[in-house]
Amino acid sequence: DIQMTQSPSSLSASVGDRVTITCRASQSIRTYLNWYQQKPGKAPQLLIYGASSLQSGVPSRFSGSGSGTDFTLSISSLQPEDFATYFCQQGYSTPQTFGQGTKVEIK
Amino acid sequence: EVQLVESGGGLVQPGGSLRLSCVGSGFAFSSYWMNWVRQAPGKGLEWVANIRQDGREKNYVDSVKGRFTISRDNAKNSLYLQMNSLRDEDTAVYYCARGLDQWPGTDYWGQGALVTVSS
Repeated sequence: DIQMTQSPSSLSASVGDRVTITCRASQSIRTYLNWYQQKPGKAPQLLIYGASSLQSGVPSRFSGSGSGTDFTLSISSLQPEDFATYFCQQGYSTPQTFGQGTKVEIK
Repeated sequence: EVQLVESGGGLVQPGGSLRLSCVGSGFAFSSYWMNWVRQAPGKGLEWVANIRQDGREKNYVDSVKGRFTISRDNAKNSLYLQMNSLRDEDTAVYYCARGLDQWPGTDYWGQGALVTVSS
């Protein structure tokens, strides 16, 4: 199975900050990388698919980049509603494994 | 509006069985891969299984192979997960999730069904 490793596991940031989360795959997954946001008690929501394609309805402050084994999710200007946990997921091979998550907290 | 509604969760003893259901609406159910993803309390996400549009291809994570069976009934816009030989470590919220069109991943998710395996 492909292992997905996110860093950091958690971070504290202020409204307006630029935030970057990293996801590393244990082998090349080309651009088969998706990003999800999950708020407490809610189902995850898709933010980015194909490493850099913004899902419909997702604010443009979210962006993704990378290919091969290294990927990043960036939030250009953190908003109050962005405090949540973020997960990466590879879709290159079955099982479609997730990273362990990055919790973004209010500083 | 796309909606996915799970049902069938509950408390079951180790070794027992449970069947989860998920009804989709607001989209052409028969045109999409469908997935089950679970989340143990306070933990991350784990993809469990998926099924092709026609039901003829199914994939599972190793930890549930031989115990869980995914199926669908396109006439009823329904997805199922039959869970047998349940273990403590199967305790989780189980989400039904629609596959992305033409790309691996999921876009719409249900609200989740809690399965608790405990004696």
